[in-house]
Amino acid sequence: IAGITQAPTSQILAAGRRMTLRCTQDMRHNAMYWYRQDLGLGLRLIHYSNTAGTTGKGEVPDGYSVSRANTDDFPLTLASAVPSQTSVYFCASSYSWQGETQYFGPGTRLLVL
Amino acid sequence: KQEVTQIPAALSVPEGENLVLNCSFTDSAIYNLQWFRQDPGKGLTSLLLIQSSQREQTSGRLNASLDKSSGRSTLYIAASQPGDSATYLCAVGSNTGKLIFGQGTTLQVKP
Repeated sequence: IAGITQAPTSQILAAGRRMTLRCTQDMRHNAMYWYRQDLGLGLRLIHYSNTAGTTGKGEVPDGYSVSRANTDDFPLTLASAVPSQTSVYFCASSYSWQGETQYFGPGTRLLVL
Repeated sequence: KQEVTQIPAALSVPEGENLVLNCSFTDSAIYNLQWFRQDPGKGLTSLLLIQSSQREQTSGRLNASLDKSSGRSTLYIAASQPGDSATYLCAVGSNTGKLIFGQGTTLQVKP
């Protein structure tokens, strides 16, 4: 059982380019989340999905979009990357959206130049 | 707006010491509180989850307490070891499932 996988591990991206960060979980969890982690700001929620077919905005959603076509996958798309989106991105999942432990992936390190 | 604070930002102790990490939050209407561990360059590993109706949770050498009325949680680590060196994050959960994180305490346990 792999848990949560994220791809790519790291990426250097030119500003203005489109980029999709992939996240897959094999735990059949209903809820999934995307966070970004920045020095001095901690982890902040970008988008979430309580169940397949639904998504919602977190604390810092601007410039990002997500989709949840099935239970296992929750891709995060940067439509037109900007340098302020340089960060470490973590995907997480939990069995349900209420009161459950969240499990995190290993992260994607993104540098936007 | 919920705010979560962890003090100190960094802590260095000799091996074998018992230690306490602190987490405070401004809104006592929480659903749960989670403690995580993060090793350098890695993702987060969940350590303990305390539901709002609980006062504490224990796992091995770790004990987490929750006092909602005072807006505080502590993570107690007994008999610290060099392998405990990491950043410890607390996160407060709301009834919508969203987590608000503190900025973490970076712990170094010296042999």
